[in-house]
Amino acid sequence: QVQLQQSGAELARPGASVKLSCKASGYTFTDYYINWVKQRTGQGLEWIGEIYPGSGNTYYNEKFKGKATLTADKSSSTAYMQLSSLTSEDSAVYFCARNGNYAVFAYWGQGTLVTVSA
Amino acid sequence: DIVMTQSPSSLAMSVGQKVTMSCKSSQSLLNSSNQKNYLAWYQQKPGQSPKLLVYFASTRESGVPDRFIGSGSGTDFTLTISSVQAEDLADYFCQQHYSTPRTFGGGTKLEIK
Repeated sequence: QVQLQQSGAELARPGASVKLSCKASGYTFTDYYINWVKQRTGQGLEWIGEIYPGSGNTYYNEKFKGKATLTADKSSSTAYMQLSSLTSEDSAVYFCARNGNYAVFAYWGQGTLVTVSA
Repeated sequence: DIVMTQSPSSLAMSVGQKVTMSCKSSQSLLNSSNQKNYLAWYQQKPGQSPKLLVYFASTRESGVPDRFIGSGSGTDFTLTISSVQAEDLADYFCQQHYSTPRTFGGGTKLEIK
């Protein structure tokens, strides 16, 4: 079965960077987009961007350009998202999610909590 | 960007009642080439990841109970729970999968009386 296993919670200082991971299993990693979604506590969902591991092509929400960098390692079936120049506005849960067949998010990781604090 | 607006922001219903919630998009989500509306619904239970319920406005994801019914076209969409159960306590989000950036509504919180 399809599974997305995300890395553990992060505590980071303002101005620092963090790199989150999302390890995929149960399907051919290179065949489906991996998306990243942000959710601040008690709030809605924001799409950050997506990566197609087969080619490495990425598409970003303009709002997150310069903030998030998406990469993928085919050898380990793992997608990564690096968040840079962290501020308190970046404190949130970040989900990775795999597309189904129609650009909807059919499978989700369990989420990674990022806390930015001095 | 397509703006998605959900209403109400919260509602409280008793078990067995019918629940309806609305989602409106700032532009049409209807693809004229295939006549499909690119609108999805997700359920997020407390402390969990979102779960896909419906896509193409009315196509239920495999394994989703048939009490969850998606409808609508163009810019106006509805998620109906025909007979709400206690386990349906959750936040519900709509999302357009018509264009990038993918955008979500602000959510409807369903509470059970």
